[in-house]
Formats: sequence, C-alpha cells, structure tokens
Amino acid sequence: DVVMTQSPDSLAVSLGERATINCRSSQSVLYSSTNKNYLAWYQQKPGQPPQLLIYWASTRESGVSDRFSGSGSGTDFTLTISSLQAEDVAVYYCQQYYYTPLTFGGGTKVEIK
Amino acid sequence: QVQLVQSGGGLVKPGGSLRLACAASGFTFRDYYMGWIRQAPGKGLDWVSYISSSGSTTFYADSVKGRFTISRDNGNNSLFLQMNNLRAEDTGVYFCARAPYDNNPWFDYWGQGTLVPVFS
Repeated sequence: DVVMTQSPDSLAVSLGERATINCRSSQSVLYSSTNKNYLAWYQQKPGQPPQLLIYWASTRESGVSDRFSGSGSGTDFTLTISSLQAEDVAVYYCQQYYYTPLTFGGGTKVEIK
Repeated sequence: QVQLVQSGGGLVKPGGSLRLACAASGFTFRDYYMGWIRQAPGKGLDWVSYISSSGSTTFYADSVKGRFTISRDNGNNSLFLQMNNLRAEDTGVYFCARAPYDNNPWFDYWGQGTLVPVFS
C-alpha cells in the first residue's frame, strides 16, 4: 500500500500568516502519460465531514477560497494557506488516488497562535 | 444542490451485522462512482470501498474484504454498505461520498456521517 506521510502533525500560525502543510507518498503518484498527480487535499472541521479543497495536486475545487493552493509532483506535495483566517482552523488530509487501496495521510491540525 | 443523507448506524455487538444507506439527490446519481470512507474516534480517514456508476465493479480495503459489501440502487438514487461479522476495530463514523472521476477517485461531496459503535 502507498503510505502517505504528512508533516507536521500540528502547527499554530498567527492570523494573516502563511501555513504550509507537507505530504509525502511512498511511491510516485504522477501518471506520466497525462502529467497529472493523483493527489487531493481535504479540510475537516470538528463534527463535520471532510470538504474537498484541491485535486490533481493543484486544481482548486469550485467555491474554495484562493487562499488555498496546492503544489508539488511525484512524491512530495504541499498545501499552502496564504493568509490564515479563523475559519481555517481544522485538520487537513492529503489522499492519493493513483493506487488502490486509496490512502490518506494522517492529518495535520492547524490552529491559531 | 448535491445532498447525501445517511441512515442506518447504531450500536452493534462484535460478530453482528449492520446496513448503512446513503440517499443521494441534486445530481444524476447513476453517472457517478460512489464510495465509503470511515473514521475511527479521534483518528484519521480510512477508505473502505467504492463502486462503479453501474454497480458492476467494486473495490474494497483488505481490512473489510469478505465482510462488507457495497451496492447501489440507481433507480432509487441510493448507496448501501452491508457490514457483516463486525469487529471492534470497525468502530467509527462512516461517510458516504461522491467520486467525480471514474476509477482512481477522489471525493467531492460527503454525507454527514453515521456512527457505528461495535462493542459488547
């Protein structure tokens, strides 16, 4: 199985500052024929289901704030929140969908400093 | 608007069975792959299963293979998860979710979740 490793486990960022979350896959999730990375990012707030933020590693889902951006390729990926707002407090997960079983990272908890 | 409304959770003893349901609306259900993802208390997300748009192809995590069965009723816009021989480690919140891309899916809409506690 492809192991998704997120870092850090948690981070505290001041309002208006940048938050950066990393995700590493144990195998490449880049499909060379299409040059697409099979990587998604989700946000989960307490007591709520996850919400899709990013797919194909960098494509923002419709309606998602442009504060959120995804980057990376192959095995190393990053989710960036450009200017942290109070409503961004949540746990963030990456997911690879290149291989079955589908696998998620362990999550990164983002808090306000 | 897309809605996924779940039902069917509840306390069950080890070895018992439970059937979860997910009623879809706001989109053409028969055109989409669908999946189930679970979350143990205080833990991360764990993919369980997904099913093709026609229902002819199914995929399972090894941890549930042979015990869980995913199915769908496209005429009634419903997704199901039949869970048999439940174990304590199956305890968690189960989410149904829509997959916007055939095969190798990510999930763009999620149900509200249903709690399945498995203990004696």
